[in-house]
Amino acid sequence: DIQMTQSPSSLSASVGDRVTITCRASQDIGNSLVWYQQKPGKAPNILLYAASRLEVGVPSRFGGSKSGTDYSLTINSLQPEDFATYYCQQYYNVPWTFGQGTRVEIK
Amino acid sequence: QVQLQESGPGLVKPSGTLSLTCAVSGGSISYSHWWSWVRQPPGKGLEWIGEIHYSGATNYHPSLKSRVTISMDKSKNHFSLELTSVTAADTALYYCARDLTIVRGVFDFWGQGTLVTVSS
Repeated sequence: DIQMTQSPSSLSASVGDRVTITCRASQDIGNSLVWYQQKPGKAPNILLYAASRLEVGVPSRFGGSKSGTDYSLTINSLQPEDFATYYCQQYYNVPWTFGQGTRVEIK
Repeated sequence: QVQLQESGPGLVKPSGTLSLTCAVSGGSISYSHWWSWVRQPPGKGLEWIGEIHYSGATNYHPSLKSRVTISMDKSKNHFSLELTSVTAADTALYYCARDLTIVRGVFDFWGQGTLVTVSS
């Protein structure tokens, strides 16, 4: 199985901050990485796939990048509705595997 | 707009079998998609369980493969999950999900989730 190591597990930030969440794959997964946002009591929602492709309807303050086997999700100018838990997931090989999640909390 | 809705018992006894169904509306299950089950233990992260294609092909997570069966009923436009020999570790919110038309393994539609507790 491909292991996805996500960091940090949680962070505190203020509205307007820029935050970055990182996911490291245990092997090469090309660009086969998706980021989800999950709010309490709700199912996950796609933000970006193919490492950096923004899903339709997702605000442009969300961005994704790749460096080797490290993938980053950046949220520019954090908004109140962005406080949630974020997960990365690889879809290079079955079994699809998720990172442990990053909880973004209000400072 | 496709909608998915999970249903099934919310309480299963240890060593019993967990059985859930995902009803698909707003679209046919008999299309070139993969349909998955994903679970989330309370307060924890997401774990993919397995998937089924409309052709009937399946893939399962290796850690669960010996206990999992995913099936599809095209006439009822739903697919199902069976997990045998359950323990407390199988207590979780169970989601069904559909992958993107153009990208397999990326889930664009999810059910709301159904909580299954394993307890005597």
